[in-house]
Amino acid sequence: GESVGLHLPTLSVQEGDNSIINCAYSNSASDYFIWYKQESGKGPQFIIDIRSNMDKRQGQRVTVLLNKTVKHLSLQIAATQPGDSAVYFCAETGANSKLTFGKGITLSVRP
Amino acid sequence: DAGVIQSPRHEVTEMGQEVTLRCKPISGHNSLFWYRQTMMRGLELLIYFNNNVPIDDSGMPEDRFSAKMPNASFSTLKIQPSEPRDSAVYFCASSFAGSGYGYTFGSGTRLTVV
Repeated sequence: GESVGLHLPTLSVQEGDNSIINCAYSNSASDYFIWYKQESGKGPQFIIDIRSNMDKRQGQRVTVLLNKTVKHLSLQIAATQPGDSAVYFCAETGANSKLTFGKGITLSVRP
Repeated sequence: DAGVIQSPRHEVTEMGQEVTLRCKPISGHNSLFWYRQTMMRGLELLIYFNNNVPIDDSGMPEDRFSAKMPNASFSTLKIQPSEPRDSAVYFCASSFAGSGYGYTFGSGTRLTVV
């Protein structure tokens, strides 16, 4: 079946470094992608989104890149901070509004 | 706006009992989603509604699970009878279909069935 998946289960980075979290998706009909951050005991929190007619979108310290050719999505976090430690999920949806999540990756920031 | 509100935050119940989880979506949102999160399976979509109508319930694990949305401001997810394997965190999310904006999640209900 179609799914959204993440390449690595954990990522450890040094405070101040840039982080890159990758995601592969398989549904070519998906046209809207979202990155979520989930902290312990909380629900997923929206970080940034991108539509399929774009290949890059920037927010505050975060950038999402979309490569439709290889069905790849990435989240870049600049100057990673301890507060960025969390589980990150990519999610995708299309015309049916059904939001499908990847399995998540844990980002651990070393002081 | 108070965001998506779920209740209760925690629920501990005995196997065989009925459990009802509640969700109040963001006012104005017309799509509502129920998810289940476990370590083994991650975030699974159970069911979602558009304009109070169930659109896709293919993720509902079995007949013990049912969901209703009697009006635009309230939804329930019921498990009857509950089993230990139902233990998980259940999230509700809402969005305005077609807006293209991020779906907003509640804080979840942590269900433990003993």
